[in-house]
Amino acid sequence: EIVLTQSPGTLSLSPGERATLSCWASQSVRNSCLAWYQQKPGQAPRLLIYGASGRATGIPDRFSGSGSGTDFTLTVSRLEPEDFAVYYCQQYGSSPYTFGQGTKLEIK
Amino acid sequence: QPQLQESGPGLLKPSETLSLTCTVSGGSISSSSYYWVWIRQPPGKGLDWVGNVHFSGSTDYNPSLKSRLTISVDTSKNQLSLKLSSVTAADTAVYYCARGGSANPGIAVYWGQGTLVTVSS
Repeated sequence: EIVLTQSPGTLSLSPGERATLSCWASQSVRNSCLAWYQQKPGQAPRLLIYGASGRATGIPDRFSGSGSGTDFTLTVSRLEPEDFAVYYCQQYGSSPYTFGQGTKLEIK
Repeated sequence: QPQLQESGPGLLKPSETLSLTCTVSGGSISSSSYYWVWIRQPPGKGLDWVGNVHFSGSTDYNPSLKSRLTISVDTSKNQLSLKLSSVTAADTAVYYCARGGSANPGIAVYWGQGTLVTVSS
């Protein structure tokens, strides 16, 4: 089973700033099958990024993903008020498909 | 995009069997080649992949649940279902169904709103 570790656990930033979230895998993620999801309180998660760097339908271009192998990054170039939420990475290259523990992005 | 809606009992006693249904609208389960996914989230915690089913009926389960879990599709009703036997308090969670990819079974592209299941005596 691939274990995903996200860092930091909590990130405190202001609107307009740049956010960088990390996700490390315990072993190489096959074919860069790494996704990022955003979850707001009381809502279902929403797919942001697939294949490590592909933006899902309707996702603003301020969200970008990068990385390969075991190291992946989600970047939000300029934070909008609606971006403050919890973010999860997930590897879907090898069953069982596993999630990171989440990074909470909060308003500073 | 498809719409997914979970339904089922909100409260169960330990040792009972959890049965959930996910109704899909805006597209036929059997006319596409997508995988369909169940994911759960214990209160205040992170996401756990439960298992997948393909419209053909093939399944893939989380090993930690495999001995208690059955996921299936009913193409006549355009539904997928989850059955988890011998539940304990550790199975208390919001259960989400989602549509996966066509080539990648584990990714969750479109999600239902989720349904909270509480296991308590």
